[in-house]
Amino acid sequence: EAQVTQNPRYLITVTGKKLTVTCSQNMNHEYMSWYRQDPGLGLRQIYYSMNVEVTDKGDVPEGYKVSRKEKRNFPLILESPSPNQTSLYFCASSPMGLAGGRQYFGPGTRLTVT
Amino acid sequence: AQSVAQPEDQVNVAEGNPLTVKCTYSVSGNPYLFWYVQYPNRGLQFLLKYITGDNLVKGSYGFEAEFNKSQTSFHLKKPSALVSDSALYFCAVRDGGFKTIFGAGTRLFVKA
Repeated sequence: EAQVTQNPRYLITVTGKKLTVTCSQNMNHEYMSWYRQDPGLGLRQIYYSMNVEVTDKGDVPEGYKVSRKEKRNFPLILESPSPNQTSLYFCASSPMGLAGGRQYFGPGTRLTVT
Repeated sequence: AQSVAQPEDQVNVAEGNPLTVKCTYSVSGNPYLFWYVQYPNRGLQFLLKYITGDNLVKGSYGFEAEFNKSQTSFHLKKPSALVSDSALYFCAVRDGGFKTIFGAGTRLFVKA
């Protein structure tokens, strides 16, 4: 089954404790992206990647890091989480063949930072 | 800079009536427009997209959207609403590059 998976689905952590949220897709998509969803703000793009070793900032990259060492994986790293990073996070992927391609979303990771 | 506006936080409609969820956008160049739907505790599901061609785009679950270039709008419509359509709807725009901007979302309530 074609899908985007994220782990963990739920995470409660404390301020300053480094964490990684994994994202993997099995559709051989070149493009991958991370978003955070907050009430009243919709989804905001954190980082995106056009292919292996090619990443760029979205609208809210502060406090986050990403890497794209393999085509299928695009982990999101929070080096020193803070309470304002409490949010619902989505990973998405799409093919690059058409710049306007639809995105396939993972199930989401609900992160709470205390 | 790109932007997307969904002017209504919530839309209420009776089952069987037509529904419209509004979206306006601002982008330099040709827009690539999308609608996604989010059901409770789920990820986003794709409904439809406009890239080029006919202004009326048909999508999943009986939804359609009308692209209006002069009004920079891309409103989502359905002729006859179902209770199961109740969900959170997001409009999104891509400018042909790699960034995507989402609207704040519109919550649709369909009453039986």
